Parts: sequence; C-alpha cells; structure tokens
Amino acid sequence: AQSVAQPEDQVNVAEGNPLTVKCTYSVSGNPYLFWYVQYPNRGLQFLLKYITGDNLVKGSYGFEAEFNKSQTSFHLKKPSALVSDSALYFCAVRAVMEYGNKLVFGAGTILRVKS
Amino acid sequence: GAGVSQSPRYKVAKRGQDVALRCDPISGHVSLFWYQQALGQGPEFLTYFQNEAQLDKSGLPSDRFFAERPEGSVSTLKIQRTQQEDSAVYLCASSVNRGSETQYFGPGTRLLVL
Repeated sequence: AQSVAQPEDQVNVAEGNPLTVKCTYSVSGNPYLFWYVQYPNRGLQFLLKYITGDNLVKGSYGFEAEFNKSQTSFHLKKPSALVSDSALYFCAVRAVMEYGNKLVFGAGTILRVKS
Repeated sequence: GAGVSQSPRYKVAKRGQDVALRCDPISGHVSLFWYQQALGQGPEFLTYFQNEAQLDKSGLPSDRFFAERPEGSVSTLKIQRTQQEDSAVYLCASSVNRGSETQYFGPGTRLLVL
C-alpha cells in the first residue's frame, strides 16, 4: 500500500534562510508525488507535483522539490524563507484505485519562519 | 476563476443529529473527492465520484456516512446520527477528469459534534 512519512512535526527557520521540509514515500510502481500547503482555517493549496521527468520540480511561491528515487524522498525546498511561508505542509502520493486515483497524505509538518 | 466552495464552513451538531455538508466543485470538473481531516492529522480519503457515479466509497467509516452527486456537479456528504468521533474537517476536492493528477481543494467544513 502507498504511504508517506513526514519525519518532522515542526521545522523552524529564520527569515531569509533556506528551508527544507522532508518527505519519504513508499509506493508500488512509479510514484506520483505532491506537496500542498494549508493555512489556518483554509483548505489545501496545491504547490507542486512530480509525475515524471526532471528530478527538480518547481512550483508556486518559489517552492521546489527534489525527487530522489534511490532514497524514496521528495523533500520540499525554498532558497529563502519568508515569514508568510509559515503554515502546515503536506506531502502526498497518488494511490491508484480501481476506477480512479486518490491521494494518501502524510501527517503534515508545521513550518515556522521567524523574522 | 472560482475554486471549490463548501458550505457551511462551520457546523456544530448535538450527538445524534443528522448533518449535510455541501460541495461545489470547479465548474466542468468531472472528478470529485471527499476527505476527512482529524485534528493534527493529514486528510484521509472517504469517497470518489466521476460525474454522478460514486465509484469508490471504501473510505467511508460507517454506514452512517452517505454521499451523493445526483447531477454530476454539486455533491452532498450526509452524516446520520452524528457521534463525537465524527468531529473533523471535511474537505472536498475536484479534478478535471479521471486521468488528471492534481486535485484542487475547498476550504473545508469544520464539524464539531457535542
């Protein structure tokens, strides 16, 4: 069965520093991987996805993620963190159902960016 | 353009009451999903529609949970005889079609059962 692990409950970063939010996955077959961000009292906003192709995927708001097949990881990165990046981040993997696809999410990582 | 909308945003119910949660997907999106997000956890899949057909309901936790999408657009998630463990945020998502990988989420309905 497909699964996702986000090993850190919380990541603290100073504004202007690079940030990394970690994600590892377990799938059978080719992985389809996603990052979403959730702000308080709001739904999930799509950031980026990896389907195939380049291992470095660029997404919204300056975020990028690096797919590493050998380490089964898909870490989210940003070169320079902003205070406004503070939110809850979810990694997800596609799970194929008989008639469609669903997303299987990790438990989430709280990102706190301090000025 | 308009995103996925959900109503109500907040719902307080007494244990044993029935509730109905509404989802308006992005116009033209064929696929619609419901997820349940418990406090401090990631969303978990409940059910999936392709147009009006409910093709997977394997995530529904009990037969008290029922979902429909009669005209292939708006969907309603109904919970009968609510229990305290039903308290969660219920998220709706839609995608363009079955083969589309990206799901777009609504703001969710926060349900509190007292």
